Amino acid sequence: RKEVEQDPGPFNVPEGATVAFNCTYSNSASQSFFWYRQDCRKEPKLLMSVYSSGNEDGRFTAQLNRASQYISLLIRDSKLSDSATYLCVVVSTDSWGKLQFGAGTQVVVTP
Amino acid sequence: NAGVTQTPKFRILKIGQSMTLQCTQDMNHNYMYWYRQDPGMGLKLIYYSVGAGITDKGEVPNGYNVSRSTTEDFPLRLELAAPSQTSVYFCASSRDRNTGELFFGEGSRLTVL
Repeated sequence: RKEVEQDPGPFNVPEGATVAFNCTYSNSASQSFFWYRQDCRKEPKLLMSVYSSGNEDGRFTAQLNRASQYISLLIRDSKLSDSATYLCVVVSTDSWGKLQFGAGTQVVVTP
Repeated sequence: NAGVTQTPKFRILKIGQSMTLQCTQDMNHNYMYWYRQDPGMGLKLIYYSVGAGITDKGEVPNGYNVSRSTTEDFPLRLELAAPSQTSVYFCASSRDRNTGELFFGEGSRLTVL
């Protein structure tokens, strides 16, 4: 079983709609969680951290469910520029801080 | 501010050849990393470094070597290239080991034929 699993998608989303997707992790020692965005043939870039209480950054909302060991990302009012692959990243205390990357969820926003 | 710079961006190698992927950062970060990304897979850590003169293996170190003689530079050496090393390689750096914010280079696309 992979340590970090994501639905690869693609999630095809009409412009202006809302899309949400999850990422599950298997290591109960996981402590820190992040979402990265990766555009086609580009490097990953940090989108946002995921806090225990949930957090928003503009149209993006991240949630953490420790009991079920998953995090989620919700994008409201989707823009064409939101088309990208979203990588889930987990940091565990038993691996000094090495980041575990999910394979990513592809989102395609259509006009 | 250049951030993390990788060279070359593209390279084709023949089986058995060797090469070095260069990585340099100008943010004075102590922590540096090399990842590879294969289609449909998450980034896999090859090697990492916590400072000049200190390196350690990640998940998939076989077939690679690194050195860290300065804070800025963290080259990745491929010895005896194999088709299984065809991948996109990303160098990254971070301010400290517990931050989730890695700064990535633009990547190096390597094909081994």
